[in-house]
Amino acid sequence: EAQVTQNPRYLITVTGKKLTVTCSQNMNHEYMSWYRQDPGLGLRQIYYSMNVEVTDKGDVPEGYKVSRKEKRNFPLILESPSPNQTSLYFCASGVAGTYEQYFGPGTRLTVT
Amino acid sequence: AQTVTQSQPEMSVQEAETVTLSCTYDTSESDYYLFWYKQPPSRQMILVIRQEAYKQQNATENRFSVNFQKAAKSFSLKISDSQLGDAAMYFCAYRSARGQGAQKLVFGQGTRLTINP
Repeated sequence: EAQVTQNPRYLITVTGKKLTVTCSQNMNHEYMSWYRQDPGLGLRQIYYSMNVEVTDKGDVPEGYKVSRKEKRNFPLILESPSPNQTSLYFCASGVAGTYEQYFGPGTRLTVT
Repeated sequence: AQTVTQSQPEMSVQEAETVTLSCTYDTSESDYYLFWYKQPPSRQMILVIRQEAYKQQNATENRFSVNFQKAAKSFSLKISDSQLGDAAMYFCAYRSARGQGAQKLVFGQGTRLTINP
């Protein structure tokens, strides 16, 4: 089944404790992206990647890192999480140059 | 930068009735895509319908249709014969057709739709 998977689905952590949210897709998509969803703000792009070793900032990249060492994986790294990073995070993938993006199931992150 | 505005935080409709969700956007581009996404309680983002800006004809997918007014920069979603399963958060989104903006979706704030039985 073609899908985008994220792990973990839920995470509660404390300020300053490094964490990684994994994202994997099995559709051989070149394009992958991370969004965060906050009430009243919709979804906003954090980072995106056009292919292996090619990443770029989105609209809200502060406090986040990404890497793209393999085509199927695009992890989101929070090196020192803060409470303002409490949010719902979505990974998405797609074929470069096409309109459609496939979203993962979301990761609910709470930073206390 | 492009912006998308959904001015209705919440809407409700009786089952089997018709409801229209509003969306306006701001852009200086002439070529772009517009989307409506549905987010049910499961949180999954589901593409409902898309519209290419170069097409004058409004997109339709079964009970879902849009009213695309390019000059007014308006993109409303009409849901006919509302069903209980339509209850969800609905997001309007914009995507440039080319350039740096083509690498992201710009979302509105969302409209929570409740269906009353």
